Amino acid sequence: EAGVTQFPSHSVIEKGQTVTLRCDPISGHDNLYWYRRVMGKEIKFLLHFVKESKQDESGMPNNRFLAERTGGTYSTLKVQPAELEDSGVYFCASSQALGGIADTQYFGPGTRLTVL
Amino acid sequence: AQSVAQPEDQVNVAEGNPLTVKCTYSVSGNPYLFWYVQYPNRGLQFLLKYITGDNLVKGSYGFEAEFNKSQTSFHLKKPSALVSDSALYFCAVRGLDSWGKLQFGAGTQVVVTP
Repeated sequence: EAGVTQFPSHSVIEKGQTVTLRCDPISGHDNLYWYRRVMGKEIKFLLHFVKESKQDESGMPNNRFLAERTGGTYSTLKVQPAELEDSGVYFCASSQALGGIADTQYFGPGTRLTVL
Repeated sequence: AQSVAQPEDQVNVAEGNPLTVKCTYSVSGNPYLFWYVQYPNRGLQFLLKYITGDNLVKGSYGFEAEFNKSQTSFHLKKPSALVSDSALYFCAVRGLDSWGKLQFGAGTQVVVTP
């Protein structure tokens, strides 16, 4: 069974440009999460999808970030326009349809974003 | 609000010696606790979790963790460390009021020397 995949693995862009990150969850997992680790600090929650609906987007830093999950499969996270402080590693995770509090989240390899 | 503390930025241990990575937490109600590991240039890999029941949880790669409610701790342990255990370890907690999201600690770098 394939794990969570993320594309691209690395992205280097200039301040003001737009970047779109993609996450493909484990097949059959209705729950999809985005997290971010900035400058070696703790990993912080961004948002949570249940199928195509946003369950919790309390961690989204500002309106420059837009997440979508059309059709309840893969998800994209767009940053527009990117700022220097957006640099970091963006992780995606998924968990199975039960969606319970005890569910294990399985993480992808992350996308390292560098904004110059 | 929930929080996780990993008091050590780095833990150094010789191969074959016991390894302990510390984690304390704060959460409303019963905690759901997780350990993940990140090897160089890899994503986060799930090691183990505590939901309820036995305070000693066994996980992947010979790791185990002990839940201590009175000390609000969930330390990760391995009886005999391997060089290949060198990695970044994250403790995470989820409380009843947080539904899906995990609250992570800052991570502890483990260095195992031959």
